[in-house]
Amino acid sequence: NAGVMQNPRHLVRRRGQEARLRCSPMKGHSHVYWYRQLPEEGLKFMVYLQKENIIDESGMPKERFSAEFPKEGPSILRIQQVVRGDSAAYFCASSPGQLGGYTFGSGTRLTVV
Amino acid sequence: TQLLEQSPQFLSIQEGENLTVYCNSSSVFSSLQWYRQEPGEGPVLLVTVVTGGEVKKLKRLTFQFGDARKDSSLHITAAQPGDTGLYLCAGRFGIGSDMRFGAGTRLTVKP
Repeated sequence: NAGVMQNPRHLVRRRGQEARLRCSPMKGHSHVYWYRQLPEEGLKFMVYLQKENIIDESGMPKERFSAEFPKEGPSILRIQQVVRGDSAAYFCASSPGQLGGYTFGSGTRLTVV
Repeated sequence: TQLLEQSPQFLSIQEGENLTVYCNSSSVFSSLQWYRQEPGEGPVLLVTVVTGGEVKKLKRLTFQFGDARKDSSLHITAAQPGDTGLYLCAGRFGIGSDMRFGAGTRLTVKP
């Protein structure tokens, strides 16, 4: 997973707080994808971004969740007013283009208490 | 609905045995990939297949893409404890579309 950097690795938030998850894609990769994984389950697509553009956000809840990938800096997945059901591992992946495989980060494990 | 179904969901075998896991969809894949994920880490890409009927080998792993590009299999020969992990298939259903994942096959290889 070298190359895609996610931080923090672990994040604990109280109900009602905001969670900000960061993802720096591999050098040269301009496509970023966010996935959510619950224990014992596969990855659920959330959002696909290119620099300054959201390409597909069909997997992201309409409320409380937002994502951005600014011209400079990492991609951010923001969850406002977190609830216990938001507890999960959130993975970011990047790719150089629209074809080919993804390189994943090590994930951010969000725990809402 | 473009769903990917993987089977079996869980598989526990002894070291040295062979195994096959499957990935199926009712829709045609434009490309399909297999990933392996270890606990606490992100998935790692094993292979990409794009051509119907394609077979790729990676040491003891053999990947096959169905002729109709709706299914794929992963065969592991002489499994080792180091093969233990979650095997995920992921597919694109159109050029340029993002990738959707199956629920995975959780493999345990006992020494």
